[in-house]
Order: sequence, then C-alpha cells, then structure tokens
Amino acid sequence: QSVLTQPPSASGTPGQRVSISCSGSSSNIGRNAVNWYQQLPGTAPKLLIYDSNQRPSGVPDRFSGSKSGTSASLAISGLQSEDEADYYCAAWDDSLNGRVFGGGTKLTVL
Amino acid sequence: QVQLQESGPGLVKPSQTLSLTCTVSGGSISSGGYYWSWIRQHPGKGPEWIGNIYYSGSTYYNPSLKSRVSISVDTSKNQFSLRLNSVTAADTAVYYCVALVLAASFDYWGQGTLVTVSS
Repeated sequence: QSVLTQPPSASGTPGQRVSISCSGSSSNIGRNAVNWYQQLPGTAPKLLIYDSNQRPSGVPDRFSGSKSGTSASLAISGLQSEDEADYYCAAWDDSLNGRVFGGGTKLTVL
Repeated sequence: QVQLQESGPGLVKPSQTLSLTCTVSGGSISSGGYYWSWIRQHPGKGPEWIGNIYYSGSTYYNPSLKSRVSISVDTSKNQFSLRLNSVTAADTAVYYCVALVLAASFDYWGQGTLVTVSS
C-alpha cells in the first residue's frame, strides 16, 4: 500500500493531452514539493518534474506539473508513442523524514 | 553531476543479511548537500523508501523496516551502505541508491541492482 494515491492506468491518443493525479496528506504533499518520474521497463525511474513544476534539463516542455493543497498533477501534452511508460509521484514526508511514493500510473498511448 | 553505482550480491539466502554498497562519484559525500538514500522497488510496484543517512551519520528509516535495516557511510571511500537482516522472499526487489538534494526536491539515482532472496 503506497502512501501517495495515483490512478492505476491512463490512456490517450497521439497528440492528445493527458493528466495524471496524485493525492497525499498534510505531512507530505501538503507541506513539500512533488516529484514526478517516468519509468520504462528495466530502467531506473527518470526525474521528469521536481519542485512540483520544474523540469530538469533535457525534459521536453510537453511535460508539466502542478500542486494544490494535498494533491498534485502531471500533464502531458502532444502525447507521443514514446510516452508510454509507468509514471510515479513522490514527495518528502515530514513525519517519516523520508521520500514517499505513489503506486504508479501505467500510461497507454492508443 | 553526482553519479551513483550499487554493488553487492544478487542472490541472498532466506534469514541471511542483504548487504549493498553505493559508490558516489562527481561529488563528495561529506559536502553536506544531500541525504544519501536507499529505495527499493518490488516487481510491478511503486518505489519504497528504505532509509536516509546524512554525512554526519544521522539516519532515518522506514518504520516498516526499521527493526531490520541499517545504513552507514564511509566518507573516506565516498560510499554508503545498506544492511537488511533476516531477509525473506518479500525482500526480493530492485534496490536503488539515491542522492536527495537538500535544497530542492531534485535527486540522482543509481541504475539499480536486483537482489533475489532464495535458497
């Protein structure tokens, strides 16, 4: 059972905009920044968004993040076939002094 | 840019101790700008935080693993290590070492190492 809650699946067609939600609590998302990761099979999670809405160098601006209260969202615009992957949210949890994660959302590009 | 590499046995017998080491390059563990963390991921599941250590040696552990886990740091070798006691098949997972930047939510991940618990 993951601390953060994500929908298990999402889907869209090429060119479409999709959004993935992440719900937490006052001890994690409510007080701290949110990260989003993309994971392809057999590879380590790749940081897509940090500080809730910042993109590391090299991440396309098709990916954007937002946070409100104890929830966060990842939006992907101009969906491409290579975006098909698992996506995870994460945040620091003040009660644990550690990073907590969502269970992941499998994105399918139809 | 900080780079991390996990090393250790890929197969551990039940009831024994899992031991992994993370070698850090491109930055100093003693710099004080990071939490050095271990995170694991069971097949088909989301990542699970195991614990953090600061270069000074202060540690925080996941309560669900606290009784079995120990993280230590060796600043002379620029390494930090994980020990997980009394392992069972439920501890089979990919184990990642991760550098959490203190000033932001940015982080750096190792490539991960699969540890299988089996006799």
